[in-house]
Amino acid sequence: DAGVIQSPRHEVTEMGQEVTLRCKPISGHNSLFWYRQTMMRGLELLIYFNNNVPIDDSGMPEDRFSAKMPNASFSTLKIQPSEPRDSAVYFCASSLEGRRSPLHFGNGTRLTVT
Amino acid sequence: GDSVTQMEGPVTLSEEAFLTINCTYTATGYPSLFWYVQYPGEGLQLLLKATKADDKGSNKGFEATYRKETTSFHLEKGSVQVSDSAVYFCALNSGGGADGLTFGKGTHLIIQP
Repeated sequence: DAGVIQSPRHEVTEMGQEVTLRCKPISGHNSLFWYRQTMMRGLELLIYFNNNVPIDDSGMPEDRFSAKMPNASFSTLKIQPSEPRDSAVYFCASSLEGRRSPLHFGNGTRLTVT
Repeated sequence: GDSVTQMEGPVTLSEEAFLTINCTYTATGYPSLFWYVQYPGEGLQLLLKATKADDKGSNKGFEATYRKETTSFHLEKGSVQVSDSAVYFCALNSGGGADGLTFGKGTHLIIQP
């Protein structure tokens, strides 16, 4: 299996622009997660989906952030408009359902907003 | 709510030294416990896990034992190598309403030759 695939690996954009991050989970996994990693706050869970349905988006910082999962093999995280404080590494992860199942992470998208 | 506390880094050791990275947790119910490793420029990779009390997870020479009485899951390795330099995350999944993991802040490990 190719693992969780994220694109792009790096994104540099100017404040106010729209940013879209993409994720392809491992085939057969029914849970998908978006995390943000910064030096100050570590790893933060932004949102997670189960069977393509958003279950918990309480970690989404504000209305500028939105996430979709139109089908089992694709998800997007969108920031509009972007701000410099959104600069971070964004990880997508997938797993089988259940507390014993580990998460499998993609290599992340490093976002820089200038 | 759930939380994970791990020792602050960076932790710097010489090659072949003994490693311990402490991890304690607070959770409802009976969580599963995990250690993840993150190498530079990569995502987190599962290193080992334990799903019930007294279980020992092990992989690549690393071990951790699920201690319910002390709510701990300390990571150990008998002889570290330069290639073990990475950031290590302790995490739990209590399964209580969210299938996501709760992570500690990570411990940066530096092994010097």
